[in-house]
Amino acid sequence: QKEVEQDPGPLSVPEGAIVSLNCTYSNSAFQYFMWYRQYSRKGPELLMYTYSSGNKEDGRFTAQVDKSSKYISLFIRDSQPSDSATYLCAGAGSYQLTFGKGTKLSVIP
Amino acid sequence: DVKVTQSSRYLVKRTGEKVFLECVQDMDHENMFWYRQDPGLGLRLIYFSYDVKMKEKGDIPEGYSVSREKKERFSLILESASTNQTSMYLCASSSSGRVGEQFFGPGTRLTVL
Repeated sequence: QKEVEQDPGPLSVPEGAIVSLNCTYSNSAFQYFMWYRQYSRKGPELLMYTYSSGNKEDGRFTAQVDKSSKYISLFIRDSQPSDSATYLCAGAGSYQLTFGKGTKLSVIP
Repeated sequence: DVKVTQSSRYLVKRTGEKVFLECVQDMDHENMFWYRQDPGLGLRLIYFSYDVKMKEKGDIPEGYSVSREKKERFSLILESASTNQTSMYLCASSSSGRVGEQFFGPGTRLTVL
């Protein structure tokens, strides 16, 4: 079983919709949880970084971690066409990140 | 603007050739990483380094080696390229204090014929 599971999608939503992206993980040693965004033909870039359970908000983006159920989520409010990308969740215990396979999101104008 | 650069965006090599992929970061980061990214398999860690001349195997090190002689530079070497090493190769770096915050380069699309 892969340590981080993520639905690959693709997910297509209309502009302005609320988007929910989800991952589950199995490694209890993970202390840090991240969401990366990857545009086509580019390297991933860090979007959200959380250390503990709970919510973290940054503009239109909210990251949520529930360590008891080993569930991590990313919510995008008022989605824009520029949000169209692949979103990768990741967990880390030490040096090494373990990534989900990514969910491809398309926001349709 | 912080930056991770990779020596080539696109590379085409023949089976059996020795291939060098170079990565340079300008952020004085201690940690550097090499991943490959394949459709349906996601990002997989090949090797990482947490200091000059230090290296650790990732999840899929077979067929690869690495070199880190200077802090800012991390090289990935394919000793004898094979067709199953056709992939997108991504380099990343991070500081020792921020484990999850990795900065990625633009990637090298390697095709082995």
